[in-house]
Amino acid sequence: QQQVKQSPQSLIVQKGGISIINCAYENTAFDYFPWYQQFPGKGPALLIAIRPDVSEKKEGRFTISFNKSAKQFSLHIMDSQPGDSATYFCAAYNFNKFYFGSGTKLNVKP
Amino acid sequence: GAGVSQTPSNKVTEKGKYVELRCDPISGHTALYWYRQSLGQGPEFLIYFQGTGAADDSGLPNDRFFAVRPEGSVSTLKIQRTERGDSAVYLCASSLGAQGHEQFFGPGTRLTVL
Repeated sequence: QQQVKQSPQSLIVQKGGISIINCAYENTAFDYFPWYQQFPGKGPALLIAIRPDVSEKKEGRFTISFNKSAKQFSLHIMDSQPGDSATYFCAAYNFNKFYFGSGTKLNVKP
Repeated sequence: GAGVSQTPSNKVTEKGKYVELRCDPISGHTALYWYRQSLGQGPEFLIYFQGTGAADDSGLPNDRFFAVRPEGSVSTLKIQRTERGDSAVYLCASSLGAQGHEQFFGPGTRLTVL
């Protein structure tokens, strides 16, 4: 059973546009929700993270929106750039264990 | 080194062979995690170490998989009697402590079982 469901599987956005990736979870015990960026041949790198007592967190062009009642959270990339082209993973944390979504491959067209 | 390192970067082996994958965490990080990432999927938790002990090994798929961290630093993931289904990228991550949620990942070891 997949603990964290991520969509879409792939996304194509024009340069300067907004990229939106969504995740949903079931386990209300999760207490930390990070987003990771992964380039081919590299390990995932932490991008931004949020805790469930906050509804939104913004760092530069990256924003997490968190809806605790709906058990959903999303990543918004504003002014998307070709350098943002990568695979993005959401994750949820509980008791020393991270559960990852299946990933979204983002392609930002110049 | 500044980051998590993993060796080898690639490993090709034959079905039935034994392999060892090594992880060097960031100096001072007491928590260490192993994950398996299949093509087109997110990392899947295998095992978590706090110091020298395996605090949670519930993600190990079966008894062919074993991991050690004898001195609380370097860790080795050991796979016996490898099967073609073991082919994946094996990722290691470390963090400052049990509540150190920011994990730093290594580049992974790509294991191919022929």
